[in-house]
Amino acid sequence: NAGVTQTPKFQVLKTGQSMTLQCAQDMNHEYMSWYRQDPGMGLRLIHYSVGAGITDQGEVPNGYNVSRSTTEDFPLRLLSAAPSQTSVYFCASSYSTTARNTGELFFGEGSRLTVL
Amino acid sequence: AQSVTQLGSHVSVSEGALVLLRCNYSSSVPPYLFWYVQYPNQGLQLLLKYTTGATLVKGINGFEAEFKKSETSFHLTKPSAHMSDAAEYFCAVSGTGGGNKLTFGTGTQLKVEL
Repeated sequence: NAGVTQTPKFQVLKTGQSMTLQCAQDMNHEYMSWYRQDPGMGLRLIHYSVGAGITDQGEVPNGYNVSRSTTEDFPLRLLSAAPSQTSVYFCASSYSTTARNTGELFFGEGSRLTVL
Repeated sequence: AQSVTQLGSHVSVSEGALVLLRCNYSSSVPPYLFWYVQYPNQGLQLLLKYTTGATLVKGINGFEAEFKKSETSFHLTKPSAHMSDAAEYFCAVSGTGGGNKLTFGTGTQLKVEL
């Protein structure tokens, strides 16, 4: 089972460049999200989506853009990369919320981004 | 707003010893609480969760956690550590009414020594 697939796994950018981190899931999950992981800060939510055509901001959305045109895909766009966006990015998905499955996120393996 | 605090960014135990990783939460509503584990160069995976009902919850790989409302705690324990338990562990709390928007703690790196 593929689960949650993120590409690329590694990327180096120069300040001001733009790029898109791809995320795809094959579990028919309605909920998808992006987190960034920084040392000593845990994971912070960037953007999330509760279904195709619906997105919303998380805790740290500035400098990032998302769209959800299909259930399977949830790309994260960096509009103009800055060194502060150097981080490891994780995509996570889940079924829509019920009492039984709430909070059960399935994570990709991460995308490590360095901005010079 | 919800938050979690993990005490100790690094914990070291001997193989076979008790593992205790601490997590305290802050929430204005009854929380849903989670423990996730991250092995090197991998994404996070769910260890266990508390939503309602029994306050002692059991997870995978022999881990368990107890929800203590009076202490606002959700500590993770395992009676006997194994070398394969070496990883980073994250406590998390969900938003109001549950849901998938999790707020994570800063993580605790567990080292298991021979």
